[in-house]
Amino acid sequence: AQSVTQLGSHVSVSEGALVLLRCNYSSSVPPYLFWYVQYPNQGLQLLLKYTSAATLVKGINGFEAEFKKSETSFHLTKPSAHMSDAAEYFCAVSDTGGFKTIFGAGTRLFVKA
Amino acid sequence: NAGVTQTPKFRILKIGQSMTLQCTQDMNHNYMYWYRQDPGMGLKLIYYSVGAGITDKGEVPNGYNVSRSTTEDFPLRLELAAPSQTSVYFCASSPRQGASGGGDTQYFGPGTRLTVL
Repeated sequence: AQSVTQLGSHVSVSEGALVLLRCNYSSSVPPYLFWYVQYPNQGLQLLLKYTSAATLVKGINGFEAEFKKSETSFHLTKPSAHMSDAAEYFCAVSDTGGFKTIFGAGTRLFVKA
Repeated sequence: NAGVTQTPKFRILKIGQSMTLQCTQDMNHNYMYWYRQDPGMGLKLIYYSVGAGITDKGEVPNGYNVSRSTTEDFPLRLELAAPSQTSVYFCASSPRQGASGGGDTQYFGPGTRLTVL
């Protein structure tokens, strides 16, 4: 069975600081991994996804994530936080060729001026 | 291109009432999903559909029903509303890329906030 664990339900950073949101997964088959972002009162939208083409994945708004099989991790980073990055971020996993996606509990990012 | 639309945006129900949450997508996606989102719990899959006429249960289907008569529409029915169904409901859709196409990106609607009192 697949699962996703996001470490930290809330993360607070200062504007301009590094953003690091942690995600660990469990999967018995090579996984597809996703990060979605949810702004207040909106639905989720895709930030980036890993599909085995490259271990370092670049997404929208300057975010990137690195797939580390040995650590079963897919952490999300951004070198310099912006106020507009304040949102909730969800890590998700689906199996090879599958379509059902398991979402993590989410991490809310706060950005301080 | 409207993407995934959901109606209503907000609704308050009394215990025992019924209602239908509407979901429509205009991207000709085969796959559609209903999730509920509760604080600190992420998204839980209620039902999903792989095409018109085909639906299946997700992780938390009790108290809900769905139908899929067309590719575009995927309504969610609550028959006897209970306080435990107070939540935010999201509809999503995805194309079918096949086993070699990579993980399917899901496209979400704006959500329906439901309160059962």
